[in-house]
This record gives sequence, structure tokens and C-alpha cells, in this order.
Amino acid sequence: SAVISQKPSRDICQRGTSLTIQCQVDSQVTMMFWYRQQPGQSLTLIATANQGSEATYESGFVIDKFPISRPNLTFSTLTVSNMSPEDSSIYLCSVDRQHTYGYTFGSGTRLTVV
Amino acid sequence: AQTVTQSQPEMSVQEAETVTLSCTYDTSESDYYLFWYKQPPSRQMILVIRQEAYKQQNATENRFSVNFQKAAKSFSLKISDSQLGDAAMYFCAYRSVYLAGGTSYGKLTFGQGTILTVHP
Repeated sequence: SAVISQKPSRDICQRGTSLTIQCQVDSQVTMMFWYRQQPGQSLTLIATANQGSEATYESGFVIDKFPISRPNLTFSTLTVSNMSPEDSSIYLCSVDRQHTYGYTFGSGTRLTVV
Repeated sequence: AQTVTQSQPEMSVQEAETVTLSCTYDTSESDYYLFWYKQPPSRQMILVIRQEAYKQQNATENRFSVNFQKAAKSFSLKISDSQLGDAAMYFCAYRSVYLAGGTSYGKLTFGQGTILTVHP
């Protein structure tokens, strides 16, 4: 299965600032997924990132707040913009290795906004 | 849209005993995939087991097995010979097989999670 390196593992940020989270995969993948996990809750998909095209956002998530880049088949970033305490969550990236239908997740970024 | 429901917020089991975690889902699709993921305090999401809906045989991975009841839309996870390392949050998840217009192909829909405690 794919190995994903996700950075940073955690951060404490001031409200109004932005944080960029990076995910590097050890092999080429078609789609990368970004999830949010609010404290004590389940995972919710933010967006799907395909290389060379605009990310597809789920209902309730907008590009201005969560801009995503996907410059190649092994790398993606998620930016959490103009942060507020409500953005305090764990953010995870995930990939779906084609034809295996198994998903691999990054180790997550624990974000605290103060 | 598909929904996944885990009705047990918390479960506990004695070490070496067996525990079953429940999951139900709602879908109009006939072909799909179901997964159980484990999330220990380290936050890492670990795939425990997966089931293809077109397969009648229940999936098994060592001490982990599922009871897949397609008609009832039920997908429970049985953990046998429970170990202290099994303590974690467990998530049931659904994935569509086919691309549907306007939806995110390949996305996972998760249940609310069940916290499993293992007592020594």
C-alpha cells in the first residue's frame, strides 16, 4: 500500500492566520482526498484533488476557505485560511490506490486555533 | 446520498474475549464497498477489513471478521481473542463503485465511530 508523509503533525495557530498542510505520497496516485475530523467526531470529506484540475469540494466547504493544490501525482496541499477556533480539528489526507480499492491515510495534522 | 450509522458510541470487552461492533448503512446502489477502520490515539487511520458487496462470503482477516447482510444493509465487525492493542475508535465506511454525476468518485462516507475499550 502507499506510504503518505503528512506535515505538520500538529500546530497551534492564531486566529486570522492560515496554515498549509502537505501530503507527499511515495507513488503516483490519481486522486487524493482531504478529510476533517472535529474533536470526538467522525471524518468528513472536504474535497477531492485530481492532478491538473480544480479540486471538487463537498457541500459546506469552499475553495476560498480551503484552497487545495495538486501540482503532480504524488503531492498535494490543503490550506486552512483565515482560521477561527471552529477550525480546530484533525485534518487527514488519503489516497485510493487504483484497482485495489484500499485507502491509505496520512498520519493527520492536529490543528488548534487560539 | 449514502449514510452510515454506528449505533454504539462505546463498547468494552475483556482481553481474550469476543466483541461485535455494529454498522448499518443506507444506499440505493447494488454494488459498493464497505470498510472497517481503526483509529488509535495516534490518529493514524488503519484499514482493518473490507468487503465487496457483490461477494456473499464474509471477509476475514486473522482475528477480525465481518457479518455482511446485504438485504438488511448491515455490516458488523467481530473481533475475536481481543487484545489490549485493539483499543481504539472504530469507523465503518462506505464507498460507491461507480462514478455518479456531480459526486466525488471514490470518497468514503464514515459512520460516527465506536470507541472500543479492552480491559486486561
